[in-house]
Amino acid sequence: DVKVTQSSRYLVKRTGEKVFLECVQDMDHENMFWYRQDPGLGLRLIYFSYDVKMKEKGDIPEGYSVSREKKERFSLILESASTNQTSMYLCASRGQGGFFNYGYTFGSGTRLTVV
Amino acid sequence: GDSVTQMEGPVTLSEEAFLTINCTYTATGYPSLFWYVQYPGEGLQLLLKATKADDKGSNKGFEATYRKETTSFHLEKGSVQVSDSAVYFCALSDQGGASKIIFGSGTRLSIRP
Repeated sequence: DVKVTQSSRYLVKRTGEKVFLECVQDMDHENMFWYRQDPGLGLRLIYFSYDVKMKEKGDIPEGYSVSREKKERFSLILESASTNQTSMYLCASRGQGGFFNYGYTFGSGTRLTVV
Repeated sequence: GDSVTQMEGPVTLSEEAFLTINCTYTATGYPSLFWYVQYPGEGLQLLLKATKADDKGSNKGFEATYRKETTSFHLEKGSVQVSDSAVYFCALSDQGGASKIIFGSGTRLSIRP
């Protein structure tokens, strides 16, 4: 069964810490995405990547960076965690090709709490 | 730009009731349409999809028909179960690959035994 795996389900970090959220997919997908999900705000796109070493800002990139050194792995980095980054983080991947009927495959999410 | 509007929640129903969650969209082209479901504490899972007008997507007793004339993709189920309690997201994609999928705000569904 194809999978998108996020390394942690729950994470508690202190304000000011550098935080790494890892996401790995086994579907050989070119495109990977990071969202955060907050009550009342829905899903908001942070960053995405359409190829190794390529990245694009989403709607809310401030305070975040990403790394994609290998095709299967897409990391989200909180350079200096703050309490307003407490959220559910969702990773997704999507295949390439000319067909836009392919949806995302999501990971199970990482619930990050910054104290 | 493209957008998705779905009915506000929460929606609370009794077991075996009929479910409709409304979804309408705005898009410049002919998008593909999706319904995703999120169970408590989990990520989103694709529930069903439709890729062209009049297509009906179906899965696990849920159905949705792509209505181009009304730009709608309403989710229906004839008899809901407690296990259907979740958040449901309507979404669209008018481009493939790296283009992001546009999500609605989600509708929380609670089913009473």
